[in-house]
Amino acid sequence: GDSVTQMEGPVTLSEEAFLTINCTYTATGYPSLFWYVQYPGEGLQLLLKATKADDKGSNKGFEATYRKETTSFHLEKGSVQVSDSAVYFCALNEWAGGYNKLIFGAGTRLAVHP
Amino acid sequence: DAGVIQSPRHEVTEMGQEVTLRCKPISGHDYLFWYRQTMMRGLELLIYFNNNVPIDDSGMPEDRFSAKMPNASFSTLKIQPSEPRDSAVYFCASSLSSSGPAFFGQGTRLTVV
Repeated sequence: GDSVTQMEGPVTLSEEAFLTINCTYTATGYPSLFWYVQYPGEGLQLLLKATKADDKGSNKGFEATYRKETTSFHLEKGSVQVSDSAVYFCALNEWAGGYNKLIFGAGTRLAVHP
Repeated sequence: DAGVIQSPRHEVTEMGQEVTLRCKPISGHDYLFWYRQTMMRGLELLIYFNNNVPIDDSGMPEDRFSAKMPNASFSTLKIQPSEPRDSAVYFCASSLSSSGPAFFGQGTRLTVV
């Protein structure tokens, strides 16, 4: 089946540093791709999405581009803040048995220090 | 809309007891998912429903786990009997379409002692 692989964390950065969290996927079709964020003690929130190749999703200063040729959807932010400390999940929609279902990566914990 | 609502937020129970987790999806969403999150295994999809019908329950770990969706606005996940290894955060999520994003509730933190 389809799968998502994320870089292992934790990622520790100083405030205003550049962030990249790598995500690659394997899929038989052309899935939609997502980044979710989970703040401590909360559920997952959709951060951004892209539905086709070369689409760029963006939100709150975060960006990710759907790269079909490299099967990647890396998350980037130019200048992180302490409030960005959270766990980030890459995900895709897998088409199986006539239905779509979300497949998540293992998550990458980001810690931003002042 | 208030989003996906789960109850209770926290549940502590003794081994062998029955536990029922509840979820109210976002109105109009046709898909409902139950996930379990642990440090060791990450986020696991347990089961999902489309139009109240269970579509894929291959992630349900054992017969001790069961899930129902009697109507479009309510779902339950039941564990009977519960065991300490069931301790985790259980999330419910709903989605408007088969290709759209899922919206998550705040989760139920279950502790079985």
